[in-house]
Amino acid sequence: AQSVTQPDIHITVSEGASLELRCNYSYGATPYLFWYVQSPGQGLQLLLKYFSGDTLVQGIKGFEAEFKRSQSSFNLRKPSVHWSDAAEYFCAVAGKNQGGKLIFGQGTELSVKP
Amino acid sequence: DAGVIQSPRHEVTEMGQEVTLRCKPISGHNSLFWYRQTMMRGLELLIYFNNNVPIDDSGMPEDRFSAKMPNASFSTLKIQPSEPRDSAVYFCASSPWGQGSPLHFGNGTRLTVT
Repeated sequence: AQSVTQPDIHITVSEGASLELRCNYSYGATPYLFWYVQSPGQGLQLLLKYFSGDTLVQGIKGFEAEFKRSQSSFNLRKPSVHWSDAAEYFCAVAGKNQGGKLIFGQGTELSVKP
Repeated sequence: DAGVIQSPRHEVTEMGQEVTLRCKPISGHNSLFWYRQTMMRGLELLIYFNNNVPIDDSGMPEDRFSAKMPNASFSTLKIQPSEPRDSAVYFCASSPWGQGSPLHFGNGTRLTVT
């Protein structure tokens, strides 16, 4: 069965510091991979997605993620965090030929300290 | 593009009452998803539709839950009778039909059952 693991429930970083949020997935083949962000009281917003090709994908708000097949990972990175990045981040997978339904990780809450 | 519209934003009801959540997907999107978010279980897919037809309802927790999509621009999720453990945020999302299409989420309905 497909699954997504985000090992870090909560991370705190200083403003201006770099960020890496971890995501590991379990799937029989290479799935479609996504990162979403959720601000309090809001729905989820797509940051970036990976389908195939270049394993480093760029997203909105200065985020990027790297797909590593050997590690079944799709970690999210940002070189310099802004206070407005404080939110909850979700990694998700979608199996090919499964109608687009997403399986989400448990989320990582990001706090940014001045 | 008005995005996915959900109503109501908040619903407080007493145990045993019927609750109906509503969703208007983005025009032109062929797939619609209902998710439930709780602290304990994270984001769970309840059911999804393609071209108004339910494709996978394996996530619907029990018979008290039902969902309909009478046309391409409207869907409902009904809980009858409601129980305190149904308290959660319910999200509707839509996407264009196609493998790996990203989901566009509404802002959710926060349901509290007392």
